[in-house]
Amino acid sequence: KQEVTQIPAALSVPEGENLVLNCSFTDSAIYNLQWFRQDPGKGLTSLLLIQSSQREQTSGRLNASLDKSSGRSTLYIAASQPGDSATYLCASNTGKLIFGQGTTLQVKP
Amino acid sequence: SQTIHQWPATLVQPVGSPLSLECTVEGTSNPNLYWYRQAAGRGLQLLFYSVGIGQISSEVPQNLSASRPQDRQFILSSKKLLLSDSGFYLCASRTEMDSPLHFGNGTRLTVT
Repeated sequence: KQEVTQIPAALSVPEGENLVLNCSFTDSAIYNLQWFRQDPGKGLTSLLLIQSSQREQTSGRLNASLDKSSGRSTLYIAASQPGDSATYLCASNTGKLIFGQGTTLQVKP
Repeated sequence: SQTIHQWPATLVQPVGSPLSLECTVEGTSNPNLYWYRQAAGRGLQLLFYSVGIGQISSEVPQNLSASRPQDRQFILSSKKLLLSDSGFYLCASRTEMDSPLHFGNGTRLTVT
């Protein structure tokens, strides 16, 4: 049974810092891994999807990496801004998407 | 790109009342559709998924049910709500098994 873990559960940083969010999964037989952002009371917005054959994906200030062999993915946010404050979730896709508990990020002005 | 519509956005229902939440999808055909629940302080729990009209798979035994009467319509129902049914219900869609999953804005259900 796939288990997805995100560390840390919460993170508070000053504006402008670069930061890394971590996601680990137990079953490496995945189609892909997807990162989402969730604002309070809202649905999930897809940020990046990394196929199992890929190592990383980039979108603007976001970079996601995937290491299937170690069961890890990271989301790197460069030059963080207060607008980045949200909960970030990763989901591994083995046919079914299994979500981590999320990392709640606060970027202070 | 896909757009997922959910309604209502918020709902307050008494215990024992029925429930019907609707989700419709635009911008794709024959999508795989999903219902998730997000309870306070907990992660997303997959409730039901559907790969086609009339095809429903249940992930968690409970007093909820799902139906897919049309290709791009997915309905979550209950005959009698329980307090424990309170939560944030999210509909999601993807075109293929390895394509991105897209979510609607969710329905906040409070059972009183």
